[in-house]
Parts: sequence; structure tokens; C-alpha cells
Amino acid sequence: EADIYQTPRYLVIGTGKKITLECSQTMGHDKMYWYQQDPGMELHLIHYSYGVNSTEKGDLSSESTVSRIRTEHFPLTLESARPSHTSQYLCASKPTGAQFYNSPLHFGNGTRLTVT
Amino acid sequence: DQQVKQNSPSLSVQEGRISILNCDYTNSMFDYFLWYKKYPAEGPTFLISISSIKDKNEDGRFTVFLNKSAKHLSLHIVPSQPGDSAVYFCAASYTDSNYQLIWGAGTKLIIKP
Repeated sequence: EADIYQTPRYLVIGTGKKITLECSQTMGHDKMYWYQQDPGMELHLIHYSYGVNSTEKGDLSSESTVSRIRTEHFPLTLESARPSHTSQYLCASKPTGAQFYNSPLHFGNGTRLTVT
Repeated sequence: DQQVKQNSPSLSVQEGRISILNCDYTNSMFDYFLWYKKYPAEGPTFLISISSIKDKNEDGRFTVFLNKSAKHLSLHIVPSQPGDSAVYFCAASYTDSNYQLIWGAGTKLIIKP
């Protein structure tokens, strides 16, 4: 079905470390998204991209950054991890085009990040 | 201010019975609604959607009802099965938002054997 991959699945890291969460999709989708989600809470959009070299911040203020050098790859980087960054990070994608406006997002399995 | 609200954090239903999950919204501009299902340690998977021009959409055991005047939608699962135990998220979008999704906080559905 949907081929979108996130690595690592789980990460425990100390405060101050730099980390990169990987997200790749093999569907050729132009639109990609990063969400942050805590238990019992809604998904919050932190970054999105509508194509190569296009990145935008989402609704939730985040200290992370993203890049989109290749269509299939949308990594998220935290320069200095803090305990407040502990959360689940979900990557998603969908195709571009008017016929896909209401197409559902395809999600990866997420990265559960714990910062100690 | 939460624009999409799922007021029941959890719901417990007997296997074989009907599960009804509710979702309320405040923004009258929303014109498309989706339900996603999420298992622990996995990403959400799309379940069913409905456009604001309809009041019902059905797909197998899943039916979504939309009441625009009440700004309310519900997801019915009949009959409920053990594999339906998951967190269910309601999400909404509207044309001028570039179809960005606004999410509810989810309802954890537990199907009892």
C-alpha cells in the first residue's frame, strides 16, 4: 500500500544532542508533512513541503528544521534536543493536483523520540 | 481554540455491538472531513471521509454521518470487532486553508470480547 518510511522508530537521546529524523517515500508524492503528536492530543503540523526546495513552517512553533533536496526525502533536524522535544513525530505525504485535493495523507509509522 | 473536538477520550463497546464516535467542529468553513485510525506505535491510517455536500457516506462496516447545522459528525462501526480497538481521529479541512488538516484529539476505542 503506502510506502513511506521513517527511521529510527524509537530514539532515546541526551539533552543538547543534534538529531535527524529520516522520512522517505517511494510514491513520487510532491507534498510532504511533519506532524508532532503526544498521547491524548491532536496532531500538530510543524513543517510541510510542496516540492523540492520548498519548505514551510506549520501551525505549531517548532525548533526543528527541515530540508527537501529530493522529492522522496524529507528529513527533520533538531540542532539541540531538549526534554520538551519528547514526542512522537509523524511524517506524511500525498500527491499534488486538483484531483487529489481531498486525497488522504499517507503516514509513516512515526519516530518516538525521548530526550533525557 | 480547538476547532475540531472529540469530547470522549475513550469508549468501551462490546464485540458485535455498534460503536459510535463523535466529533464536533466550530469552523463553518470546513467542507471536508476525514476519520483516521491509529494503532500504538504506528502512523494513522485513513478510514473514511465525507464532503460537506453529503450527509452520509458508507464503506463496509463504517458509516460517517454529517450534520452541518449542528456542526457534528459521527462514525458508526457495525458490528464492532476486536481489531477495531484503536485511537480514532477526526480531521477537517476547507478550500481556503489549502486543504491543511485540523485534527481532533482522538477517541480511544476499546472493543471488549
